Amino acid sequence: GDSVTQMEGPVTLSEEAFLTINCTYTATGYPSLFWYVQYPGEGLQLLLKATKADDKGSNKGFEATYRKETTSFHLEKGSVQVSDSAVYFCALKAGGGADGLTFGKGTHLIIQP
Amino acid sequence: GAVVSQHPSWVICKSGTSVKIECRSLDFQATTMFWYRQFPKQSLMLMATSNEGSKATYEQGVEKDKFLINHASLTLSTLTVTSAHPEDSSFYICSASGGPYEQYFGPGTRLTVT
Repeated sequence: GDSVTQMEGPVTLSEEAFLTINCTYTATGYPSLFWYVQYPGEGLQLLLKATKADDKGSNKGFEATYRKETTSFHLEKGSVQVSDSAVYFCALKAGGGADGLTFGKGTHLIIQP
Repeated sequence: GAVVSQHPSWVICKSGTSVKIECRSLDFQATTMFWYRQFPKQSLMLMATSNEGSKATYEQGVEKDKFLINHASLTLSTLTVTSAHPEDSSFYICSASGGPYEQYFGPGTRLTVT
């Protein structure tokens, strides 16, 4: 079945550091890929998405490129802020309709001032 | 916009009792809602897909007689955990579909069964 593997945390960085959170997936067909973020006490929020190979999703300074050849969707940000501290989930959706998501385990990111 | 609420946020119940969790889309209509379960330090696992006016579709391994789902309107889906046991203790999260690529998540409900 479909699966998502992402680096486990916690990942601790200093403010203004470069961030990479790795995510790889296994799926049949051509899934859509997502990064969600969960701030303390809140529900998951969509951070960015890519629906086909070579697409780049971006939002709030975060970027991720859909790499079909390496089945990856790594999340990057050039300069993190304390406010980026949260749990980040990589996810995929296999179908084209309103299907449920397959999630990775989540990566807890801690940014220190 | 696109706010999803869950009620209650935290519930404690005794073993053998049933608990109902509500999921509401507050400012949009959702023909499809999803229920997930999350264990500590684990990923969210899809339990079932709830479609308004029809029976829910359960993922493999999820007991449909134990986790009853009702999607009675375009803004409300409920999950009832029947005859709850301690192993049902978990964090239950719902989401509402806003289109083929959009899901809006509720804040979750923590269930503790004693």
